[in-house]
Amino acid sequence: DTEVTQTPKHLVMGMTNKKSLKCEQHMGHRAMYWYKQKAKKPPELMFVYSYEKLSINESVPSRFSPECPNSSLLNLHLHALQPEDSALYLCASSLDGYGYTFGSGTRLTVV
Amino acid sequence: KNEVEQSPQNLTAQEGEFITINCSYSVGISALHWLQQHPGGGIVSLFMLSSGKKKHGRLIATINIQEKHSSLHITASHPRDSAVYICAVRSLSGGNNRLAFGKGNQVVVIP
Repeated sequence: DTEVTQTPKHLVMGMTNKKSLKCEQHMGHRAMYWYKQKAKKPPELMFVYSYEKLSINESVPSRFSPECPNSSLLNLHLHALQPEDSALYLCASSLDGYGYTFGSGTRLTVV
Repeated sequence: KNEVEQSPQNLTAQEGEFITINCSYSVGISALHWLQQHPGGGIVSLFMLSSGKKKHGRLIATINIQEKHSSLHITASHPRDSAVYICAVRSLSGGNNRLAFGKGNQVVVIP
């Protein structure tokens, strides 16, 4: 298995909703990442988990809450989002910073 | 000034033409990635380079560490090559799990 699988592919949520994005990989990668990408812009790093511990939080608002239940799974819990949070959310994994594999993303729309 | 600069920003080619896109960076790096993103889609990792040249199918990537420059060549271009190509570097000072991204090269191949 050489893929990073993200679900759902599309998500529409209201500003009072709570939802979660999921990411899964079975390549034995020990670093997992959440990126946010706005249209026509490069990805922006949000969080990094290394060996299941949060190692980087790029000053992301607390309405985004990451979780790494085990070495294969990464979640991003969403609560009280704003319309400007609408974006493509990409998950990626790597073998300790080399050989990145990206998922196909979750297209999030906040209404 | 961005650590990673890509040129040309936009490129249009006729099917079958040879395409070259460029990436220059200003920091010491341990690896450089070429990534492909189709409209509305996720990111696919094409190459990771730390020296020399790599080839995969019709794609060739080269890097000159001394000149801090990399090129991605597409031979016999096809409309399915239409995408944004993103250069990203793993800098020596940025830590193991950070990539610095360029703004991308938008490539359109016309049938």
